[in-house]
Amino acid sequence: SAVISQKPSRDICQRGTSLTIQCQVDSQVTMMFWYRQQPGQSLTLIATANQGSEATYESGFVIDKFPISRPNLTFSTLTVSNMSPEDSSIYLCSVERGTGGTGELFFGEGSRLTVL
Amino acid sequence: AQKVTQAQTEISVVEKEDVTLDCVYETRDTTYYLFWYKQPPSGELVFLIRRNSFDEQNEISGRYSWNFQKSTSSFNFTITASQVVDSAVYFCALIRHGSSNTGKLIFGQGTTLQVKP
Repeated sequence: SAVISQKPSRDICQRGTSLTIQCQVDSQVTMMFWYRQQPGQSLTLIATANQGSEATYESGFVIDKFPISRPNLTFSTLTVSNMSPEDSSIYLCSVERGTGGTGELFFGEGSRLTVL
Repeated sequence: AQKVTQAQTEISVVEKEDVTLDCVYETRDTTYYLFWYKQPPSGELVFLIRRNSFDEQNEISGRYSWNFQKSTSSFNFTITASQVVDSAVYFCALIRHGSSNTGKLIFGQGTTLQVKP
């Protein structure tokens, strides 16, 4: 199993500001995934972060709003830019165990953002 | 399009009762994987089980059991003799087979289970 650490675990932010969430994995992984969980809602994939290339965003998410970095095989950051109250969510980093899209994802504990 | 439906928003039981969490999915793919995750109050998602579309055998792991029925597109989860520590949000999820779908879990809305002492 992978150990995934996220920082911050929670934060309260002001409207219009940006916040960067860090995700550290204890082993090298090819792909890292960022999910969003809005209050009382399910999880939605934001983007896939590949080392050495641009992140791949899902429909409804754009790089200007959620820029992602992936400087090496164990680390990624997600920035939530120009935040509004609608961005209040839990943001979760995840990695896959195994290969081939079988989906057994390990998740970090998430970063709970509240935007005032 | 793929979709996962968990019709039960909240369930409340008393400790030691059995409880079944329902999951119905939609997909046109013949190869896919189904999952259950547990999200305790700490927020981390804990992987419980993965089942591929060609394996309809039911599975039992301790107090947990899963019933996969392709005929009804359902993948239900039963907790026997529930305990307070089972209180959490439970998510059912689906992923399409293939490397291009890596990481692209489609989650249901989740069922909040409260087990009272």
